[in-house]
Amino acid sequence: DTGVSQNPRHKITKRGQNVTFRCDPISEHNRLYWYRQTLGQGPEFLTYFQNEAQLEKSRLLSDRFSAERPKGSFSTLEIQRTEQGDSAMYLCASSRGDRADTEAFFGQGTRLTVV
Amino acid sequence: SQQGEEDPQALSIQEGENATMNCSYKTSINNLQWYRQNSGRGLVHLILIRSNEREKHSGRLRVTLDTSKKSSSLLITASRAADTASYFCATDKGNKLVFGAGTILRVKS
Repeated sequence: DTGVSQNPRHKITKRGQNVTFRCDPISEHNRLYWYRQTLGQGPEFLTYFQNEAQLEKSRLLSDRFSAERPKGSFSTLEIQRTEQGDSAMYLCASSRGDRADTEAFFGQGTRLTVV
Repeated sequence: SQQGEEDPQALSIQEGENATMNCSYKTSINNLQWYRQNSGRGLVHLILIRSNEREKHSGRLRVTLDTSKKSSSLLITASRAADTASYFCATDKGNKLVFGAGTILRVKS
């Protein structure tokens, strides 16, 4: 068990390009979260999966954002037509259980810079 | 929107001193968690306190919870330079954890 793994760690892209991030959660964890964090702020919730089902999406998640978790294993977060405002750290976390009342394990994040 | 708000925004202390950070939240909770984040890294879970608990200890950490005041505090005793980090409280809201803006702690050696 190597913890939550996120790839890539850094991504620089030109405005208008599409980007995809990957998250590999801890293997026995059924819950998976995506958060976005900008400088000086706490993580902001984007979306949540229980196994393969995407059960909640934030209003922050515009139609340019899509997330998947096929077969309840790894997850991908895609941003289409990136904008400079998308520049942030994207964090993935996983946990076990039926509610958000257990410890969440975070990956190291993917830092996106849109130029 | 962020449920929790940490206070102070920044704290600078000498090694060996105690550090106290506070968190206030708005709606009822089942539990409150504290996380630490070193610069540019992911978050590390420190401690979870449930709504029916008033105090919890873990090593040099002490967390209190006052549900009547909707507030929590994190005390780090005998601080070390390695404690320099941002500290966030997080409350459960439905299916997710909602984080505050954090307290930046700097421990000077």
